[in-house]
Amino acid sequence: GAGVSQSPSNKVTEKGKDVELRCDPISGHTALYWYRQRLGQGLEFLIYFQGNSAPDKSGLPSDRFSAERTGESVSTLTIQRTQQEDSAVYLCASSLFGLAGEDTQYFGPGTRLTVL
Amino acid sequence: AQSVTQLGSHVSVSEGALVLLRCNYSSSVPPYLFWYVQYPNQGLQLLLKYTSAATLVKGINGFEAEFKKSETSFHLTKPSAHMSDAAEYFCAVSEPMNRDDKIIFGKGTRLHILP
Repeated sequence: GAGVSQSPSNKVTEKGKDVELRCDPISGHTALYWYRQRLGQGLEFLIYFQGNSAPDKSGLPSDRFSAERTGESVSTLTIQRTQQEDSAVYLCASSLFGLAGEDTQYFGPGTRLTVL
Repeated sequence: AQSVTQLGSHVSVSEGALVLLRCNYSSSVPPYLFWYVQYPNQGLQLLLKYTSAATLVKGINGFEAEFKKSETSFHLTKPSAHMSDAAEYFCAVSEPMNRDDKIIFGKGTRLHILP
């Protein structure tokens, strides 16, 4: 496809369950970003993958959060033992080179996670 | 570390009126600045960006923003609002001179257009 895709679009889960969110970046984009958007708040940076470099995990809020990326393609964000405060829209973005300043990030439609 | 503040979580303007969405930033080095728009049920898309060239930046859909270093501002404007402009708008800042550069987003401003 032409854009960034994410699945599922909506996920409802029970507190304590694990969830896995998927992101398919634009083909050829070396950089991939995960953000979280909680209700009434701005976008929070979570993690950044750039090519084969070690990912920048500085935004992950706790050790319940982890993410993987296979080469320069699909990424999965995993949240273990979900809590109600994890409820948010999780946005994925990709960019061609990964330089935050010069490079445009293209965003997916997001996954809305609701933890009951 | 860089930060960005958007004044007003909700702004309402009449169709045909001037749109002004405010954004102030703080940065320890010359920043890059962005405005993103999120239409209902769609993902974020870039409206415009400032990367140290011209201080007045023109974007898509008739929007523009002016970088004012003395005021640490990057307000978004459009001369005449259209109903299709109803969306949420995010201002963002990055510090490309810093090795640990990331894009930091504001909390967003939801723009309502009144008929």
